[in-house]
Amino acid sequence: KQEVTQIPAALSVPEGENLVLNCSFTDSAIYNLQWFRQDPGKGLTSLLLIQSSQREQTSGRLNASLDKSSGRSTLYIAASQPGDSATYLCAVIWDSGAGSYQLTFGKGTKLSVIP
Amino acid sequence: DARVTQTPRHKVTEMGQEVTMRCQPILGHNTVFWYRQTMMQGLELLAYFRNRAPLDDSGMPKDRFSAEMPDATLATLKIQPSEPRDSAVYFCASGLVTGQPRDEQFFGPGTRLTVL
Repeated sequence: KQEVTQIPAALSVPEGENLVLNCSFTDSAIYNLQWFRQDPGKGLTSLLLIQSSQREQTSGRLNASLDKSSGRSTLYIAASQPGDSATYLCAVIWDSGAGSYQLTFGKGTKLSVIP
Repeated sequence: DARVTQTPRHKVTEMGQEVTMRCQPILGHNTVFWYRQTMMQGLELLAYFRNRAPLDDSGMPKDRFSAEMPDATLATLKIQPSEPRDSAVYFCASGLVTGQPRDEQFFGPGTRLTVL
């Protein structure tokens, strides 16, 4: 069974700082890993998708890395802004057997960027 | 622009009542997922369909929950009878799943369910 853990559960940083969010998973046999953002009362917005064969993906100020062997992914946010305040979730897509496609989420990191 | 839509956005009901949540996936997507989000459990996968056929509903309590796709443009999640512990936000997501690592999911805005 795949388990996904995100540390820390909450993070508060001053505006302008660079920060790293962590995601770890227990089974390295994954298809891909996806980072999402969730604003209060809203649905999830996909930020970055890293395929199992990739090491990292970049979009603007966001950079996500993947180390399958160690079961870790990080989301790096450069020059943080108050608008980045949200909960960030990582999700791992994996094969639970016989081609059954499973997705397991972490519980998220709640980020607050202080102006 | 293409997006996943869900109705209703909010639902308050009394224990024992039937609740039906609806989802319209993005046109052309072949897979629809249902998730439940609670503070205690985070996001959990309840069920998903590929080409309208149920592939996996192991995350769903079978005694009261049912999920269907009557056609390619509509997925439903029904709870009968509802209980206070069902209170959560229910998300629908859709994707074009090819079995490749590039597959991606797109989420709807969710239905916030409160069972009194």
